[in-house]
Amino acid sequence: NAGVTQTPKFRILKIGQSMTLQCTQDMNHNYMYWYRQDPGMGLKLIYYSVGAGITDKGEVPNGYNVSRSTTEDFPLRLELAAPSQTSVYFCASSSPDRGHGYTFGSGTRLTVV
Amino acid sequence: DQQVKQNSPSLSVQEGRISILNCDYTNSMFDYFLWYKKYPAEGPTFLISISSIKDKNEDGRFTVFLNKSAKHLSLHIVPSQPGDSAVYFCAASPNTGTASKLTFGTGTRLQVTL
Repeated sequence: NAGVTQTPKFRILKIGQSMTLQCTQDMNHNYMYWYRQDPGMGLKLIYYSVGAGITDKGEVPNGYNVSRSTTEDFPLRLELAAPSQTSVYFCASSSPDRGHGYTFGSGTRLTVV
Repeated sequence: DQQVKQNSPSLSVQEGRISILNCDYTNSMFDYFLWYKKYPAEGPTFLISISSIKDKNEDGRFTVFLNKSAKHLSLHIVPSQPGDSAVYFCAASPNTGTASKLTFGTGTRLQVTL
């Protein structure tokens, strides 16, 4: 049982490049989320999804796009990378029962230079 | 606008003693609160939660207390163990009836010394 799997673990991008952060979960969770964590800060919600085909913006969506074609996958797309997007990105999933909290992936550390 | 605040960036406690981590919130719509633990190079892991209808929830060595009137919650770890050394995040969610979007605090780094 893998839980939430994120790839890659590390990536260095040049300004203006694009990339997709992959996220897959095998728990059949309807809800999935993307957060970013900057040094000394809490996790900020970028985008979330309540099911396949349904996505919505979180607190800091600018510069990102998402899609949810299946229950399992929730990729995050960065277009025209900027230094301000240097961060650690966490994908998470949850069931509707709030008592179980989120299950997080191990994160992707992204540096934009 | 930091709706969930953890004002102590770090805390050092001796092994066997009690660790108390604090969290304050400002949004009256929050009705569910969680604590997460995070080790370096790993994602946060769910530790314990509490609903606003309760003022205490206990799970083994971990107890969370909620004071709704003060908009304050705390996590008690008794006894503290070296393996508890990690960053602890407080999180809160409103009852919107949809995805339980969490708002996180900035974290408190706990170090348990021998």
